[in-house]
Amino acid sequence: GAVVSQHPSWVICKSGTSVKIECRSLDFQATTMFWYRQFPKQSLMLMATSNEGSKATYEQGVEKDKFLINHASLTLSTLTVTSAHPEDSSFYICSAREAGGYQETQYFGPGTRLLVL
Amino acid sequence: GESVGLHLPTLSVQEGDNSIINCAYSNSASDYFIWYKQESGKGPQFIIDIRSNMDKRQGQRVTVLLNKTVKHLSLQIAATQPGDSAVYFCAENFSGGYQKVTFGTGTKLQVIP
Repeated sequence: GAVVSQHPSWVICKSGTSVKIECRSLDFQATTMFWYRQFPKQSLMLMATSNEGSKATYEQGVEKDKFLINHASLTLSTLTVTSAHPEDSSFYICSAREAGGYQETQYFGPGTRLLVL
Repeated sequence: GESVGLHLPTLSVQEGDNSIINCAYSNSASDYFIWYKQESGKGPQFIIDIRSNMDKRQGQRVTVLLNKTVKHLSLQIAATQPGDSAVYFCAENFSGGYQKVTFGTGTKLQVIP
């Protein structure tokens, strides 16, 4: 089956620093990748949709200058949390939609837990 | 039984019994629905899906029912096992629009051995 990986699986950083999270589709090409954020005991909230080779589309209320998304290839998207603050501490999950596959099918990564001190 | 409060709604079920998890979706134009299982500290795992032209779909030990009239979705798990303990999310998608999936609030399933 289609596998999506994320790196790192967890990260602790100091307030004010930037953190980059990678999302990779391992055995398929993904034209579209999605980034979600999940706070404890809450649902997944879509942050942005990234299409390979174009700018990401951000959901309302998500600061594009704070959460930089790059989807430079069909197998890699990155999310950079710039100038991270404690309130950015969360579980970040990516998903990928396979090129040429069912348009609705998303494969989820294992998530990255971010703790900002 | 079910409980709703400051935490996720929780459904406690005896091992071997059947579980029914309910979900109300918001967009009447949604035409594709998915159930995901999320274990602690992990990403969501696909369980089963259903399109709006169906009202029931069965998988292995799982059945999804869709009632478009009242915008309600349910997941039935037969012979619930301890490994079924997790948080379950329903998700909706409108294929004619932006193609993004919107997640529901989630239900925590606790299986009592």
